[in-house]
Amino acid sequence: GAVVSQHPSRVICKSGTSVKIECRSLDFQATTMFWYRQFPKQSLMLMATSNEGSKATYEQGVEKDKFLINHASLTLSTLTVTSAHPEDSSFYICSARDAGGASGPNTGELFFGEGSRLTVL
Amino acid sequence: SQQGEEDPQALSIQEGENATMNCSYKTSINNLQWYRQNSGRGLVHLILIRSNEREKHSGRLRVTLDTSKKSSSLLITASRAADTASYFCATGITGANSKLTFGKGITLSVRP
Repeated sequence: GAVVSQHPSRVICKSGTSVKIECRSLDFQATTMFWYRQFPKQSLMLMATSNEGSKATYEQGVEKDKFLINHASLTLSTLTVTSAHPEDSSFYICSARDAGGASGPNTGELFFGEGSRLTVL
Repeated sequence: SQQGEEDPQALSIQEGENATMNCSYKTSINNLQWYRQNSGRGLVHLILIRSNEREKHSGRLRVTLDTSKKSSSLLITASRAADTASYFCATGITGANSKLTFGKGITLSVRP
């Protein structure tokens, strides 16, 4: 199946610094990637939809100036948590849809990265 | 807003038993998917069932979908300790702007 690589898997940073998380589709092109946030023992909360070559679409309540998303190529999307604070500590997961999949680009199945655990001290 | 709601929230069974997990949703969908997440890891797609399908099988997995009741079930037969994980249902509408909405998840523990 399609592989999505997410890096780093764990990051610890000081309050006030910015952290960048990368999400790469390794063997397929992804015109759309999704960024989720997950708190312990809870569901995935969609933060934003990242579209290649255009601005990301943020979900209600998600600060776009706080969580900067860049989707510069068909295989890479980045999430930058700016001026991180302890409350930003969470598990961030990206997913991608195979634009050229055999079943078509919009069949629904998502491929997930392994997640990035951010701890802000 | 979250679409899918799974139940039970937690399930503990003995290895070899079957595990049944349920998901209910609120609005119209094109498809419903089940994902699995091992602790601290990303999600793995298990199975997708379309709104015009009623039942689907994949190995030890059996998924049903009842659009009239807006519910789905995931059955894992002959469970193994390695099936221990969290399971999420996700509902979606296919299309250029499609996205998935996940339920809260079910924690399955399979005792060896």
